[in-house]
Amino acid sequence: AQSVTQLDSQVPVFEEAPVELRCNYSSSVSVYLFWYVQYPNQGLQLLLKYLSGSTLVESINGFEAEFNKSQTSFHLRKPSVHISDTAEYFCAVTQNRDDKIIFGKGTRLHILP
Amino acid sequence: DGGITQSPKYLFRKEGQNVTLSCEQNLNHDAMYWYRQDPGQGLRLIYYSQIVNDFQKGDIAEGYSVSREKKESFPLTVTSAQKNPTAFYLCASSWGQAGQPQHFGDGTRLSIL
Repeated sequence: AQSVTQLDSQVPVFEEAPVELRCNYSSSVSVYLFWYVQYPNQGLQLLLKYLSGSTLVESINGFEAEFNKSQTSFHLRKPSVHISDTAEYFCAVTQNRDDKIIFGKGTRLHILP
Repeated sequence: DGGITQSPKYLFRKEGQNVTLSCEQNLNHDAMYWYRQDPGQGLRLIYYSQIVNDFQKGDIAEGYSVSREKKESFPLTVTSAQKNPTAFYLCASSWGQAGQPQHFGDGTRLSIL
């Protein structure tokens, strides 16, 4: 069975500092991987996804994530965070023959002034 | 603008009462999903539907019911059998194929009076 582990429930970081949100998954078959962002009292928005090809994927607002098959990880990084990045971030996985997505429990990113 | 509309944004339920949460999409997506979100628990799948007039139970279907009479609509009823209904409910849709991301509504927050 698939599962997703987000190792940190909360991550505090100073504004303009770099951040890494960790995500590990388990699956016996090939997977697709996603990061979603949720702002307060809103639904989830797709941040970026890995389907195939280059293992480094980027979003339009400066986030990037790297698929590491040997470590079964898909960590999310940003070199310099802004106060507007305050949100909860969810890592998710789906098998390559299934449309159902398994979500991690989320990591709340707190930006400190 | 294409998207998913959930209504109402806030809903209150009395003990022993059934309530229905609305979800409408104009993205022409085939698949629709209902999730329950509790603090620190991530998203848990309640029901999903891959085609009109068909739906399947997710991981926590007890105390909930759904219908899919139209492609655009996937209402969720929280029945009196659901003993702990207080949560944030999210509806999503997708093309229903592996690797396709899900698009989310802005959620309905259900509370017990």
